[in-house]
Amino acid sequence: AQSVTQPDIHITVSEGASLELRCNYSYGATPYLFWYVQSPGQGLQLLLKYFSGDTLVQGIKGFEAEFKRSQSSFNLRKPSVHWSDAAEYFCAVGARGNQGGKLIFGQGTELSVKP
Amino acid sequence: EAGVTQFPSHSVIEKGQTVTLRCDPISGHDNLYWYRRVMGKEIKFLLHFVKESKQDESGMPNNRFLAERTGGTYSTLKVQPAELEDSGVYFCASSRNRVTTEAFFGQGTRLTVV
Repeated sequence: AQSVTQPDIHITVSEGASLELRCNYSYGATPYLFWYVQSPGQGLQLLLKYFSGDTLVQGIKGFEAEFKRSQSSFNLRKPSVHWSDAAEYFCAVGARGNQGGKLIFGQGTELSVKP
Repeated sequence: EAGVTQFPSHSVIEKGQTVTLRCDPISGHDNLYWYRRVMGKEIKFLLHFVKESKQDESGMPNNRFLAERTGGTYSTLKVQPAELEDSGVYFCASSRNRVTTEAFFGQGTRLTVV
């Protein structure tokens, strides 16, 4: 069955420290891959997406993610975390072609940033 | 350009009552999606409209849920009668094309059934 796993429910990092949020997926073929962020009181905002090509993708707010086919992973990284990055982060996959449309989400990772 | 708008932002109803959630997508977006997040769980797909037609409703939990998109503009999601397990946050999203373009999400409607 298609699924997305974010193994870390909650992560706390210090401001200025680096960040890596893990995401693994189970899918029949290479899906489209996404990272979304939800800040308190806000909707989901797209950080970045991978469709094809370069496996290292750059997103907004200084985030990047690397697609590793051999590991079925799409981990999100940021070299230096800011207090405003505290939010919940969701990894998602979407089908290609005519099956496209719906997204399958992971459970989310809540990020806390300490001063 | 206005984003995806959802009404109401919060709703508290009693078990057995009816609730209707509304979603106004971004103008010109043919694709409209409903998702739900039950507390502590992942965000789950409910259904997908292309214009006024239901493209995929495989995620609808049961026949107490009815989604409509008359005229291919705004959409409503009605829960009748509501049960305790229906509590959660209901998200709406829209996109111009399918997954190859960004899906924009609304802030969600937090539904609490007591």
